[in-house]
Amino acid sequence: DAGVTQSPTHLIKTRGQQVTLRCSPKSGHDTVSWYQQALGQGPQFIFQYYEEEERQRGNFPDRFSGHQFPNYSSELNVNALLLGDSALYLCASSPALVYEQYFGPGTRLTVT
Amino acid sequence: AQSVSQHNHHVILSEAASLELGCNYSYGGTVNLFWYVQYPGQHLQLLLKYFSGDPLVKGIKGFEAEFIKSKFSFNLRKPSVQWSDTAEYFCAVRSSSNTGKLIFGQGTTLQVKP
Repeated sequence: DAGVTQSPTHLIKTRGQQVTLRCSPKSGHDTVSWYQQALGQGPQFIFQYYEEEERQRGNFPDRFSGHQFPNYSSELNVNALLLGDSALYLCASSPALVYEQYFGPGTRLTVT
Repeated sequence: AQSVSQHNHHVILSEAASLELGCNYSYGGTVNLFWYVQYPGQHLQLLLKYFSGDPLVKGIKGFEAEFIKSKFSFNLRKPSVQWSDTAEYFCAVRSSSNTGKLIFGQGTTLQVKP
């Protein structure tokens, strides 16, 4: 049983560019959440998707957007990249809104 | 605003020593509480969780945590650590009525010396 998978593993982008990160939830899970983890910090909640809709959002600007597909996979898009967007981006899935979240390995984004 | 505070940033123990990692949160309502662990080179894994009921919860690998509502605390314990417990540990909380957003502490790096 595959866990949460994310792609790509690493990514290097230039300031001002746009990036798309992808996540496939654990089998049987329909809820996907995204987190940003800066070096030496705990993960920070970006947003959560359920039934293809954004259900909750953390304190992130509109440059951060997402999407959930009918197969429950999800994308995180970041526009107009800033140096401060360099971080590990984590995807987590759960079987419904109320259960514990299972995390993927993350995508390491470096903005130069 | 909700927040989570982990008291120790870096803990160094010898094998067989007892472990207690502190976690306090600020939120006035009903909460769900979690401890996650990140072993070197691996992704975040759930150690244990508290939703309701017995405030003493047991997790994987001999870890346990006690929820003390009056102290807004959820400390992680293990009676005897092993070298393989070397990892980063994160406490997390969410409102039980707002189940999407996990709030994480800054993490505690545990180094166990053989």
